[in-house]
Amino acid sequence: IQMTQSPSLLSASVGDRVTLSCKAGQNINNYLAWYQQKLGEAPKLLIYNANSLQTGIPSRFSGSGSGTDFTLTISSLQPEDVATYFCQQYNSWTTFGAGTKLELK
Amino acid sequence: EVQLVESGGGLVQPGRSLKLSCAASGFTFSDYNMAWVRQAPKKGLEWVATISYDGSSTYYRDSVKGRFTISRDNAKSTLYLQMDSLRSEDTATYYCARRAGPFDYWGQGVMVTVSS
Repeated sequence: IQMTQSPSLLSASVGDRVTLSCKAGQNINNYLAWYQQKLGEAPKLLIYNANSLQTGIPSRFSGSGSGTDFTLTISSLQPEDVATYFCQQYNSWTTFGAGTKLELK
Repeated sequence: EVQLVESGGGLVQPGRSLKLSCAASGFTFSDYNMAWVRQAPKKGLEWVATISYDGSSTYYRDSVKGRFTISRDNAKSTLYLQMDSLRSEDTATYYCARRAGPFDYWGQGVMVTVSS
């Protein structure tokens, strides 16, 4: 199942509300996860089952969507949120999107 | 605290073999499916292989089938990836990850470079 993320690069200011998109090639029954990867680090699970917040993740992160269209929202961007964000489907085998790189404006 | 620590990476010539290990702690290793995920330099994430909690089932992406073997030793809480007939396109950082639907915990990664 192909996963398409947009945009590939996003520039935003501290305090902005940021929205990242992920589209699946077919219905993935909400088996969708979001990961944050900071430079030189391993990925970290943020959201699973499309909208469930992983333990320990700040509440400014939220996930939404269903079927084939999904969104990761950061309600108020913080400097430590600079990273690349990947979506992943785990409905049929597993595939990742190509990522959205989030930088500060 | 869940910890996954990979080892065994390095520089290897095309066609040669390498075996990665991942030592797990902080959870009951034998209760979880485990996986290897790789990331080529400046590229995205790519699932490589998964093994069931008891080792009875294994799954591979097509490009590594017949060349890579995932295995585990539950008594030692250790995951392995035997990589044979390595190719330049296998060059990547390899992460072990706990599979609980999504990958909820990841190791720090180990670099594998395939080059002559």
